[in-house]
Amino acid sequence: GESVGLHLPTLSVQEGDNSIINCAYSNSASDYFIWYKQESGKGPQFIIDIRSNMDKRQGQRVTVLLNKTVKHLSLQIAATQPGDSAVYFCAESAGFKTIFGAGTRLFVKA
Amino acid sequence: AAGVIQSPRHLIKEKRETATLKCYPIPRHDTVYWYQQGPGQDPQFLISFYEKMQSDKGSIPDRFSAQQFSDYHSELNMSSLELGDSALYFCASSLGGRGREQFFGPGTRLTVL
Repeated sequence: GESVGLHLPTLSVQEGDNSIINCAYSNSASDYFIWYKQESGKGPQFIIDIRSNMDKRQGQRVTVLLNKTVKHLSLQIAATQPGDSAVYFCAESAGFKTIFGAGTRLFVKA
Repeated sequence: AAGVIQSPRHLIKEKRETATLKCYPIPRHDTVYWYQQGPGQDPQFLISFYEKMQSDKGSIPDRFSAQQFSDYHSELNMSSLELGDSALYFCASSLGGRGREQFFGPGTRLTVL
């Protein structure tokens, strides 16, 4: 069935370094992709999104890259801060259905 | 700013009982999504509504049903509860239909004993 997965379950980075979280998706019909951050006990929080007609989108300290050829999505966080520690999910959407990946836990070492 | 409201925040039920979870979207939002998240799992899409009509369906058991009312709030009805239904249930809302930023509520933690 449809699935979105992540290559790395955990990522540990030094404060101030850049973080890269990767994701593979499988539904070629997906046209909207989102990265969410989830802190313990809270609902997912929108970070950044990208549509299938783009390959790169930048926000404040975050960049999402989309490679439709290999069905790959990545999230880059610049100058990672302790407050960035959380679980990060990629999600793909076709229509109203949103499929989440398995999540990557990001640890930021001070 | 107003956020998505979910009630109750915590719910404890016995097996085979029923439960109703409520979601109040951000004012003027017309789309509601329901997700189930088990411990250590990713959120699983259950069902969505756009302008009070079901817009898509995911891995929602037949024991569950949902609807969106005229004031855009939504309710998820769960019957014949099973131990495996214990999870966090999130509601999210968005404005303008598909492919829009979803704003998540704080979730309802359902425990089935």
